[in-house]
Amino acid sequence: GQQLNQSPQSMFIQEGEDVSMNCTSSSIFNTWLWYKQDPGEGPVLLIALYKAGELTSNGRLTAQFGITRKDSFLNISASIPSDVGIYFCAGAAGFQKLVFGTGTRLLVSP
Amino acid sequence: DAGVIQSPRHEVTEMGQEVTLRCKPISGHNSLFWYRQTMMRGLELLIYFNNNVPIDDSGMPEDRFSAKMPNASFSTLKIQPSEPRDSAVYFCASKPLGQGFRQFFGPGTRLTVL
Repeated sequence: GQQLNQSPQSMFIQEGEDVSMNCTSSSIFNTWLWYKQDPGEGPVLLIALYKAGELTSNGRLTAQFGITRKDSFLNISASIPSDVGIYFCAGAAGFQKLVFGTGTRLLVSP
Repeated sequence: DAGVIQSPRHEVTEMGQEVTLRCKPISGHNSLFWYRQTMMRGLELLIYFNNNVPIDDSGMPEDRFSAKMPNASFSTLKIQPSEPRDSAVYFCASKPLGQGFRQFFGPGTRLTVL
């Protein structure tokens, strides 16, 4: 099935550092979403983006919907240990269906 | 409020056995989605329902897989017969029909087929 490419695949950072990750596609999407998955749990929605160029924040998280509609970015500022997990982007492909990215695994060292 | 409920959380079975995974969506949500997650293929949509009716089952890998939603509060995903390559985490998600793309995921069922 179709997948979105996320980079980096994994990151190991120190607590307090800022984090940036992105998601790219060969197809245009009209909605982008970012999810976080903790070990042994299902993905939890962090941010939803609905317009090209949109910049949306949720606490220390900021996400942007790329102008070309083929990419999206997620930034986490001042990381803390509980930010550890896998971050997935998802693009809305047609009515209700989501295509998920390959994931970025984040590890935060105290 | 209760989120999406899935059972069992873990299932270990032998090749050839029938496996049934269960999902209770969030009350009032009338769209339900079944996903499979593996290291190799990531999160894949298998099938989704609107108002208990299957809308798109193009992601169902083979005839060995079937899904039903007999009522608004219950869905099953069945694999018969199971094979080792079916080992994965299976997620159920739900959302209100017509309200964008914000899907709410259950905790998943980790299936191991020996």
